[in-house]
Amino acid sequence: ETGVTQTPRHLVMGMTNKKSLKCEQHLGHNAMYWYKQSAKKPLELMFVYNFKEQTENNSVPSRFSPECPNSSHLFLHLHTLQPEDSALYLCASSQEGAGAGAKNIQYFGAGTRLSVL
Amino acid sequence: QKEVEQNSGPLSVPEGAIASLNCTYSDRGSQSFFWYRQYSGKSPELIMSIYSNGDKEDGRFTAQLNKASQYVSLLIRDSQPSDSATYLCAVSGRDSSYKLIFGSGTRLLVRP
Repeated sequence: ETGVTQTPRHLVMGMTNKKSLKCEQHLGHNAMYWYKQSAKKPLELMFVYNFKEQTENNSVPSRFSPECPNSSHLFLHLHTLQPEDSALYLCASSQEGAGAGAKNIQYFGAGTRLSVL
Repeated sequence: QKEVEQNSGPLSVPEGAIASLNCTYSDRGSQSFFWYRQYSGKSPELIMSIYSNGDKEDGRFTAQLNKASQYVSLLIRDSQPSDSATYLCAVSGRDSSYKLIFGSGTRLLVRP
């Protein structure tokens, strides 16, 4: 198991539900990321937080709402999702989240497999 | 043109052979390059990182980078059935090393 923990591992929700995904990193990193991985598509970056501040929102619909209370925890709040939002949601962390030249290796959690009915 | 391109495969090689995985990228200003391995239903796991032109070796794995040709490859020597997985190429953006752009991945099958 990696130093990045995600819960739950699997989630089934209806389109009217509200749920949250949780990510915790134990690596002492300062940057955390949310990615979406759909079948047959590349990993898509959704959000980046660096020292608790959001530095990237990759045109993600507002039905996805991230929260980063501290450098170790990251949440993704979900509401009124659509069936096409069904995917594997991956959290990652890295030492730094900004600055060109940083050799910034990202470590991934096991992911949450989300199904929207 | 996709930003990071990989052949989706599957690439099938016999056990003990060399597997060669290729990746091309469009942003000439990219600075950092990574190979991740992803088993079915699992999360990506970092295999190699490379930042300068040439070869970088780690055990059975060798990463090769040619910035002039915008090409990065991964060689796996003495391939094992346990190497069967999808290999993701990731490239940093021009303006920031933290924003990685991933290819769709190449599926590798190592036949016993």
